Amino acid sequence: DQQVKQNSPSLSVQEGRISILNCDYTNSMFDYFLWYKKYPAEGPTFLISISSIKDKNEDGRFTVFLNKSAKHLSLHIVPSQPGDSAVYFCAARKAAGNKLTFGGGTRVLVKP
Amino acid sequence: DTGVSQDPRHKITKRGQNVTFRCDPISEHNRLYWYRQTLGQGPEFLTYFQNEAQLEKSRLLSDRFSAERPKGSFSTLEIQRTEQGDSAMYLCASSFLPGQAFSSNSPLHFGNGTRLTVT
Repeated sequence: DQQVKQNSPSLSVQEGRISILNCDYTNSMFDYFLWYKKYPAEGPTFLISISSIKDKNEDGRFTVFLNKSAKHLSLHIVPSQPGDSAVYFCAARKAAGNKLTFGGGTRVLVKP
Repeated sequence: DTGVSQDPRHKITKRGQNVTFRCDPISEHNRLYWYRQTLGQGPEFLTYFQNEAQLEKSRLLSDRFSAERPKGSFSTLEIQRTEQGDSAMYLCASSFLPGQAFSSNSPLHFGNGTRLTVT
């Protein structure tokens, strides 16, 4: 049972344009959501997070939006840069929980 | 480098052999997690420790897997009688949980993983 899904396995975008990554979840007990970025041969690195009491969190070029009623979150990267080319994972944690449940990832390629 | 360190980076072993991986977390972090990632998938939770206590184990962690964190610092993950299906990237992560809190919003910091290939 995949509780966190990233339905787009890959995304290609032109440098300078916006990248939009989507993530859906099924478990209404999730209350904290994170995005991680992963380069080849490296571990995932934390990018940005959002609590379920918010619907938007922004950090520089990265903004995460949360739609609780739709059980959907998205990550916007603007403007996209070639260094953003990586695999992006969304993850979710249950209230008072201690482990993260990850989606399958979306590979982003930013073309110069 | 004060990040999470994992050793070895790569391990090739024959089916049926035992393997052990080591993880050194960020020094002030009291929580330590093991995840497994197979090709094309996201990381899957295996187990986690609060200091030296193993507080949760996934059903993915069969009897052939054992993890320890004897002094609340580094951790080891041992796989006995390896099978080809054990081939994966094994990721360690750490975080800090303040005081008596049971849960926190501090993100996990991952190491670069150990890639296991069972032939």
